[in-house]
Amino acid sequence: QKEVEQDPGPLSVPEGAIVSLNCTYSNSAFQYFMWYRQYSRKGPELLMYTYSSGNKEDGRFTAQVDKSSKYISLFIRDSQPSDSATYLCAINTGTASKLTFGTGTRLQVTL
Amino acid sequence: DAGVIQSPRHEVTEMGQEVTLRCKPISGHNSLFWYRQTMMRGLELLIYFNNNVPIDDSGMPEDRFSAKMPNASFSTLKIQPSEPRDSAVYFCASYPGGKGNTIYFGEGSWLTVV
Repeated sequence: QKEVEQDPGPLSVPEGAIVSLNCTYSNSAFQYFMWYRQYSRKGPELLMYTYSSGNKEDGRFTAQVDKSSKYISLFIRDSQPSDSATYLCAINTGTASKLTFGTGTRLQVTL
Repeated sequence: DAGVIQSPRHEVTEMGQEVTLRCKPISGHNSLFWYRQTMMRGLELLIYFNNNVPIDDSGMPEDRFSAKMPNASFSTLKIQPSEPRDSAVYFCASYPGGKGNTIYFGEGSWLTVV
């Protein structure tokens, strides 16, 4: 079993839709949870970061962590074509800088 | 800040040739990572350095791959001899240290071995 599982998609939604992206993980020692966004032919860039259970909002983006279920989510409200990208979850234990990445979910927001 | 700088951005080479990828981390960051990304396997950590010292190279696929960090501002990833299955995007990333921080990626080096 991989340490981090993520549905690869692709996921296609119309503009304005609410998008839900998810990852599950197996190691309960994981403490820090991140979402990276990767545009085509670019490097991943940090989008959201949290280290506790619950929700964290940043504009149209909400990161949710449920440590009891080992489940993390990223919600995108009022999705825009500019949100079209691959979204990778990344998790670490906090004791080292080595992140474990999900394989990424490719999102396409259509007009 | 210029961010993590990688070169070359694109490389096409013939099987058996030596490939050298270069990286300049963000100034002041004390850790550097080399990742490989493919459609099939996603983003895989190859090796990481802390204060220029290799800490974990368990992700390096085989002896054909080697990485060096001679100083805090420069690292190389070398593949010799290259094979078609090495075709991938290679990312360098750097990390400022401290608990809870995250890493910052370069734009990647797109390698095609024919």
